[in-house]
Amino acid sequence: DTEVTQTPKHLVMGMTNKKSLKCEQHMGHRAMYWYKQKAKKPPELMFVYSYEKLSINESVPSRFSPECPNSSLLNLHLHALQPEDSALYLCATAGQQETQYFGPGTRLLVL
Amino acid sequence: GENVEQHPSTLSVQEGDSAVIKCTYSDSASNYFPWYKQELGKGPQLIIDIRSNVGEKKDQRIAVTLNKTAKHFSLHITETQPEDSAVYFCAAMNSGGYQKVTFGTGTKLQVIP
Repeated sequence: DTEVTQTPKHLVMGMTNKKSLKCEQHMGHRAMYWYKQKAKKPPELMFVYSYEKLSINESVPSRFSPECPNSSLLNLHLHALQPEDSALYLCATAGQQETQYFGPGTRLLVL
Repeated sequence: GENVEQHPSTLSVQEGDSAVIKCTYSDSASNYFPWYKQELGKGPQLIIDIRSNVGEKKDQRIAVTLNKTAKHFSLHITETQPEDSAVYFCAAMNSGGYQKVTFGTGTKLQVIP
């Protein structure tokens, strides 16, 4: 069973909407990641937070805004998305061994 | 940057047979190689990993081998079962400071009952 939870499981939003994805972990890990995954493709890194500070931004458009309120929570704020942003959004966490553990993902559809 | 190639892209085996998936990497600084299994509609699940100071690792029906000189590593699944059907991703990274993990392109494994 995963100790990384993500909400919501599914999300449908219009291009003018503002929504947020939430990730929560209780593994005591100090690194948290956001990935985007399109069908039949590997996960694509978006952001990395290390010790609650943004350490990697893979040139992600500003319509995606990450936030790490504390060591257990990671949010991804969405605004003015495009239909091509429809994908599975995955959260992952890593501890000292740097092994990444993924959550179940949020399936996002932008209309 | 790191580049990971994975083969084959699809693999069909009869139940009980073995399955082998191969990956190559380009960056000699990579020292950590996890394998993930992803079932339909779910997030990737770590199934086994290996670090560069080890040549082989086993966990029940799953084994991974690493050849640092040739820069390739492989996943071996023995006595396959229908529940092994999924997409498998290999990955490589240089551990130290929560760096980027580079994934292979994935292998869709189908185990035929």
